[in-house]
Amino acid sequence: EVQLVESGGGLVQPGGSLRLSCAASGFTFSGYDMHWVRQPTGKGLEWVSTFRSAGDTFYSGSVKGRFTISRENAKSSLYLQMNSLRAGDTAVYYCARGDGGSGEDFDSWGQGTLVTVSS
Amino acid sequence: QSALTQPASVSGSPGQSITISCTGTSSDVGGYNYVSWYQQHPDKAPRLMIYDVSDRPSGVPDRFSGSKSGNTASLTISGLQAEDEADYYCSSYTSSSTFVFGTGTKVTVL
Repeated sequence: EVQLVESGGGLVQPGGSLRLSCAASGFTFSGYDMHWVRQPTGKGLEWVSTFRSAGDTFYSGSVKGRFTISRENAKSSLYLQMNSLRAGDTAVYYCARGDGGSGEDFDSWGQGTLVTVSS
Repeated sequence: QSALTQPASVSGSPGQSITISCTGTSSDVGGYNYVSWYQQHPDKAPRLMIYDVSDRPSGVPDRFSGSKSGNTASLTISGLQAEDEADYYCSSYTSSSTFVFGTGTKVTVL
């Protein structure tokens, strides 16, 4: 069974930093693209970042230059380093798995971790 | 990248069919057969319901179907059931090698 478990969320002041983690199990982590998607309370989903199994990384314009995605295949873990945080970054952050084939979708999701940016 | 446009709400009675539209541009929906749909119940993580425009993952009821014409994709739920009441989001791969989600549609079963 595929499992994705996020951790590292919490309350941080504007301008601060936070590092999210996603522990994966139940599949061969190194063979899959992995993604971060966020959702402000009561609002819609927003794609944040992707780390391809081939090594490429991509970011949304709203986080580029502030967030860094990384992965550690030996530990089946995905990370999101978030710097220069703003109130607009407040959201539940989900870790999601790509479909592993030629498609471009998010076929498994974690339960999410809440990040609150506030003074 | 602007969010894909979805109707804010759609409703139907049990047993009826409803369709949710998802409108983008030639740089996303219209340019790739990489449209997917997600169901999200309150305080739950999203669930993949349709991928590659019209394919269903195992375990998703066949009353869920997807299609695309030009820059607009659609999700149809046939034989609407009470448990289908949820928020639905479309997503598309884009020409910038990024992803974009739709604005979301709240489905109400009357």
